[in-house]
Amino acid sequence: SAVISQKPSRDICQRGTSLTIQCQVDSQVTMMFWYRQQPGQSLTLIATANQGSEATYESGFVIDKFPISRPNLTFSTLTVSNMSPEDSSIYLCSVDMDRSKGYTFGSGTRLTVV
Amino acid sequence: AQRVTQPEKLLSVFKGAPVELKCNYSYSGSPELFWYVQYSRQRLQLLLRHISRESIKGFTADLNKGETSFHLKKPFAQEEDSAMYYCGLIQGAQKLVFGQGTRLTINP
Repeated sequence: SAVISQKPSRDICQRGTSLTIQCQVDSQVTMMFWYRQQPGQSLTLIATANQGSEATYESGFVIDKFPISRPNLTFSTLTVSNMSPEDSSIYLCSVDMDRSKGYTFGSGTRLTVV
Repeated sequence: AQRVTQPEKLLSVFKGAPVELKCNYSYSGSPELFWYVQYSRQRLQLLLRHISRESIKGFTADLNKGETSFHLKKPFAQEEDSAMYYCGLIQGAQKLVFGQGTRLTINP
């Protein structure tokens, strides 16, 4: 299965600033997914990042708040913009490398906004 | 819209007792269902998928289309089974969505 590296693993940020999270995969993948896991909650899909086209956002998530880049088939970034304490969450990237093996997840980025 | 429901947020059983984690889904097409597990301080990982009909770490899950359920079962719980368990559903758009999760605690 794919190996996913996600950076940073954690960060503490001031409100009003932005943080860019990187996701690197060791193989080429068509689709990459970004999830948010708020404290004590399940994983919620933010958007699907496709190479060569704009990301597709889920209901409740907008590009201005969570801009996504997908410059090639092995890399994507998610930016959390104009942060507030409500953005404090774990953010995870995921890929569908082999459907028979399910989706593979990164180790996540634990973001705390103060 | 697709939806996955895990009615129990917390489940606690004794070691050696049977375990059943419930998962119900709503989806009009043919679902692909998964169980994921997250052990303490580890990343989320796949446990089971309904297509394979396999048993992993003693766990099994059967898709019941009549009841729209995909419950996870193990006949004899072990302490190392303590973890968060998430039921997931993929529809044709390849989006994996999760239920609310169940925290399973196995008491010695």
